Amino acid sequence: GENVEQHPSTLSVQEGDSAVIKCTYSDSASNYFPWYKQELGKRPQLIIDIRSNVGEKKDQRIAVTLNKTAKHFSLHITETQPEDSAVYFCAANSGYSTLTFGKGTMLLVSP
Amino acid sequence: NAGVMQNPRHLVRRRGQEARLRCSPMKGHSHVYWYRQLPEEGLKFMVYLQKENIIDESGMPKERFSAEFPKEGPSILRIQQVVRGDSAAYFCASSHEAGGWEQFFGPGTRLTVL
Repeated sequence: GENVEQHPSTLSVQEGDSAVIKCTYSDSASNYFPWYKQELGKRPQLIIDIRSNVGEKKDQRIAVTLNKTAKHFSLHITETQPEDSAVYFCAANSGYSTLTFGKGTMLLVSP
Repeated sequence: NAGVMQNPRHLVRRRGQEARLRCSPMKGHSHVYWYRQLPEEGLKFMVYLQKENIIDESGMPKERFSAEFPKEGPSILRIQQVVRGDSAAYFCASSHEAGGWEQFFGPGTRLTVL
């Protein structure tokens, strides 16, 4: 089955800096890679996703890149703000449509 | 358009009791997924259901856990004879179509087993 590794587990940045979170996956058949943001005690919320037919996707301050050959994908947040502080999860689809999640990255943005 | 609904939001059970967790998918969604999240851990897939069918239950423990998604009504995750290790947040998600479509999560049910 699919295995998703996520790094780092914690990330501290100053407000205005950029943050990068990286994930690798094992199943070359995976073709859908979403990123979720989870604030403390809240539900995971989809913030951006990418499909295997593109290499990069941007949405304002957030971007995701995908390298199918190397089987890794990354989340980039620019101009970080304190409200970006949360746990971020990457995922990859496996089997028919289930998602395998990474263990999460706790991002702390200090003012 | 209401999002994914789950109830109860918090559930306390004593060891040996049964826990029933309910999930109503978003309007128009026919695919439901259940995940378990332990403290400071990621989301672990448990089961994927469509109406009246279990599609993938590879993440479900073999004993005490069951799930259904009847033709009418919410999806139910049932845990019999709960143990302390079952304490966790249980999230359900729904999607419009399988095979790469976005999954939208409910607010979760936090189960505490005393």
